[in-house]
Amino acid sequence: GDSVTQMEGPVTLSEEAFLTINCTYTATGYPSLFWYVQYPGEGLQLLLKATKADDKGSNKGFEATYRKETTSFHLEKGSVQVSDSAVYFCALLSGSARQLTFGSGTQLTVLP
Amino acid sequence: NAGVTQTPKFQVLKTGQSMTLQCAQDMNHEYMSWYRQDPGMGLRLIHYSVGAGITDQGEVPNGYNVSRSTTEDFPLRLLSAAPSQTSVYFCASSFRPGQGNNEQFFGPGTRLTVL
Repeated sequence: GDSVTQMEGPVTLSEEAFLTINCTYTATGYPSLFWYVQYPGEGLQLLLKATKADDKGSNKGFEATYRKETTSFHLEKGSVQVSDSAVYFCALLSGSARQLTFGSGTQLTVLP
Repeated sequence: NAGVTQTPKFQVLKTGQSMTLQCAQDMNHEYMSWYRQDPGMGLRLIHYSVGAGITDQGEVPNGYNVSRSTTEDFPLRLLSAAPSQTSVYFCASSFRPGQGNNEQFFGPGTRLTVL
């Protein structure tokens, strides 16, 4: 079945540091890939997505590239801010499935 | 649009009690889902629905019932609460694949504690 493996947290960075959160997946066919963000006390919000190989999703300074050859969708940001502190979830939607499969989430804390 | 709304925000139950978590959406989405979120386990799918009158089981359906009598509402029922059901519950909705952009919209969550 489909699965998503995420880099375990928590991750603590200083403001303006570079961020990478690793995500790899196993799926049949050609899934769509997503990053969701959950701010404290809130539900999940879509951060970015990519629907085919070599697509790059981007939003709010975050980027992730759909790498079919390595089955990866790593999240990156060049300079994090305190306001980026949240839990980040990698997820996939395979062609045959009707619902998302999530990774376990990565807690990010950015210190001033 | 209110998006996806959930009630209550917090609930404490005793073992064996029953309750219904409410979920509603005003975006005319066909797909609706219930997830539970537990530390270190991400979100796991409990039940989902692809339209009014149609529901199916997800990864962890035991102890939960759902029904979908309207497009807007998708309540989740706990028949006899157990401490293992202590969790944060999220409702989500989306258009069917091929319509819209595959984005799922999430409600703010219900934090449930079973004593």
